[in-house]
Amino acid sequence: SQELEQSPQSLIVQEGKNLTINCTSSKTLYGLYWYKQKYGEGLIFLMMLQKGGEEKSHEKITAKLDEKKQQSSLHITASQPSHAGIYLCGADPEYGGATNKLIFGTGTLLAVQP
Amino acid sequence: GAVVSQHPSRVICKSGTSVKIECRSLDFQATTMFWYRQFPKQSLMLMATSNEGSKATYEQGVEKDKFLINHASLTLSTLTVTSAHPEDSSFYICSATGHAGLSLYEQYFGPGTRLTVT
Repeated sequence: SQELEQSPQSLIVQEGKNLTINCTSSKTLYGLYWYKQKYGEGLIFLMMLQKGGEEKSHEKITAKLDEKKQQSSLHITASQPSHAGIYLCGADPEYGGATNKLIFGTGTLLAVQP
Repeated sequence: GAVVSQHPSRVICKSGTSVKIECRSLDFQATTMFWYRQFPKQSLMLMATSNEGSKATYEQGVEKDKFLINHASLTLSTLTVTSAHPEDSSFYICSATGHAGLSLYEQYFGPGTRLTVT
């Protein structure tokens, strides 16, 4: 079965600093999703990547999928307290997302200190 | 658009009782709904996939007789935790996918239900 490992497990940064979260898959990724979760709440969809080398940005968050499609990174520029939360990567366990199922990474807890 | 609600948001029940959690898609028809559970400081674990009008498909290790899932309509799925025990205490999150202009690859998540079994 496919496993997603995230690093770091937790991260504390000063406001205004940049940071990167990584998501590594044991198998080729055919669809990689990034979500943000506030503790005790649901998930907020951030971005989806499908093609090798693809890169997407939204406001100060940029996500990339490597050419081999086994690793993705999420980069936050000039972090704000509003960026604090749990970041989860998710992936389709099957090619083409035939089942629409998602498996999730281990999660990264981000704290941003003012 | 694409809002998913869950009810209740929090529930406390006594050991041995059953509790029902509802998941509703408010503004779209959810052909497929997923149920996840999340333990503190851990990731989401998929429990089961439910398609409207058919039996749910459970992930390995999830007891289908304990976690009853019903997807009776395109906007409602329910998860019933039967004979709950303290180890069932967790955060349960549902998600839904559908059509009507929504990306088939995007799941919309509910806000979650915190279950505490005493």
